[in-house]
Amino acid sequence: QMQLQESGPGLVKPSETLSLTCTVSGGSISSSTFYWGWIRQPPGRGLEWIGSIYDSGSTYYNPSLKSRVTISVETSKNHFSLKLSSVTAADTAVFYCARQLYDILTGFPLYFDHWGQGTLVTVSS
Amino acid sequence: SYELTQPPSVSVSPGQTARITCSGDALPKKYAYWYQQKSGQAPVVVIYEDYKRPSGIPERFSGSSSGTMATLTISGAQVEDEADYYCFSTDSSGNHRGVFGGGTKLTVL
Repeated sequence: QMQLQESGPGLVKPSETLSLTCTVSGGSISSSTFYWGWIRQPPGRGLEWIGSIYDSGSTYYNPSLKSRVTISVETSKNHFSLKLSSVTAADTAVFYCARQLYDILTGFPLYFDHWGQGTLVTVSS
Repeated sequence: SYELTQPPSVSVSPGQTARITCSGDALPKKYAYWYQQKSGQAPVVVIYEDYKRPSGIPERFSGSSSGTMATLTISGAQVEDEADYYCFSTDSSGNHRGVFGGGTKLTVL
């Protein structure tokens, strides 16, 4: 059974870059059978899709965050990463990484079927 | 920007049928997916591709979609079904943006 685990600092200062890693176990991230994505959830609020990446490097980002987000894959370490720059208190959230299935006919991402447990990142000085 | 709209809350008594709706302009062309999120836990998919149920999800969970509205139905809701439910889909503009609905708090009591 594939498992995903987020890791990274729990506290980031305003204006700095938030960096998180998602380590995948129980399967290869470079199997070319899935997308890999990030989702966040501010305390007490709803889910927000941040972006997704395929192991070839194809990425899709939420337009509202696109200017500040970078998602990358490191196949040798079987993990993928999220960088969110110029953070403010509004970026405080639980961040989830997840495996995303895709449409085999079009190659485009569909939905998330396996999620990490989530990690809380607080933006504060 | 593309949005999916859900009612903030739905309340039923145990054994009753709960229906949670999700409206979005692209739903006639795009699948709807439904997630259940219990307090302090990661979301779990309960319905995919409008009406399909993953293994391990109770049969009382069902989904449907017609026009611009998708519906999650819980027939004979149980106390353990109390959770937040989110619909998810992608827009049809070509940028394949993922969108979650605002979430519906289901209360069963």
